[in-house]
Amino acid sequence: EVQLVESGGGLVQPGGSLRLSCAASGFTFSSYEMNWVRQAPGKGLEWVSYISSSGSTIYYADSVKGRFTISRDNAKNSLYLQMNSLRAEDTAVYYCARDKTGYSSGWYRYFDLWGRGTLVTVSS
Amino acid sequence: SYVLTQPPSVSVAPGQTARITCGGNNIGSKSVHWYQQKPGQAPVLVVYDDSDRPSGIPERFSGSNSGNTATLTISRVEAGDEADYYCQVWDSSSDHPGVFGTGTKVTVL
Repeated sequence: EVQLVESGGGLVQPGGSLRLSCAASGFTFSSYEMNWVRQAPGKGLEWVSYISSSGSTIYYADSVKGRFTISRDNAKNSLYLQMNSLRAEDTAVYYCARDKTGYSSGWYRYFDLWGRGTLVTVSS
Repeated sequence: SYVLTQPPSVSVAPGQTARITCGGNNIGSKSVHWYQQKPGQAPVLVVYDDSDRPSGIPERFSGSNSGNTATLTISRVEAGDEADYYCQVWDSSSDHPGVFGTGTKVTVL
C-alpha cells in the first residue's frame, strides 16, 4: 500500500527540540521530492519545508528558517524534520506530503500523497 | 511573499453549484491546485494544474484560472462535499515557494 506515516510528535517545552519522522512505503521514495506541511489547531494549512529527491535542494518557510532542518535517508525510505528552539506558535499537526512536479506555463508542484499527521504541542 | 486569499465560508444547498475563489496577483500565470480537508483527516488533492482531476475524483469537481482569480467549482453538491478547501501554488521565484490559500469552509445547507 502506498502510504506515508509520521511519528515523533508530542509535548515539548518552549525552547525545546523534537525530531519528526515520516516513513514511506509502497513507492520508490528516492525518486520523489518531499515536503512538510503543518496546521495549527483550528487554522489553515502552512507549508513548512521542501527537500529534493537527492537532498541537495532545500527550502524553508520564513517562520521556521534557522530553527528547523529537513533531511532524508533514501536507504531507509524516511523523511525527517529536526525542530529546535520551539515556540508556542509551532504547535500544530505536522504532515509529510509527497511532491509531484509538472510543467505548463511554468514549473509547478503539488502534493499528491499525505500522511495522517503527528501532533506537536509546545507548552510549559 | 506571494499571498492567496479565499473567502472564509461558502454555503450551498444540495444539488446546487458551489464556487470557491482563490485570489492572487496575476494568479492566472501560475498553476493552481486544490485540496479538500474533512475534520480530523489529512488533505486530499481534488484538482491540480488549474483544472485536471486526479483519478478517483468525481467530474463534479472542476477548476479554472484567469487574471487574478482561480476558481474551484463543485457541481451538484452533495452532503459529503462539506469540508474545508485550500488552493495552493508553487512560487518558483521565491526562497519559500510553497503557498497555501487561507481556506474556505463549504457548508451544505
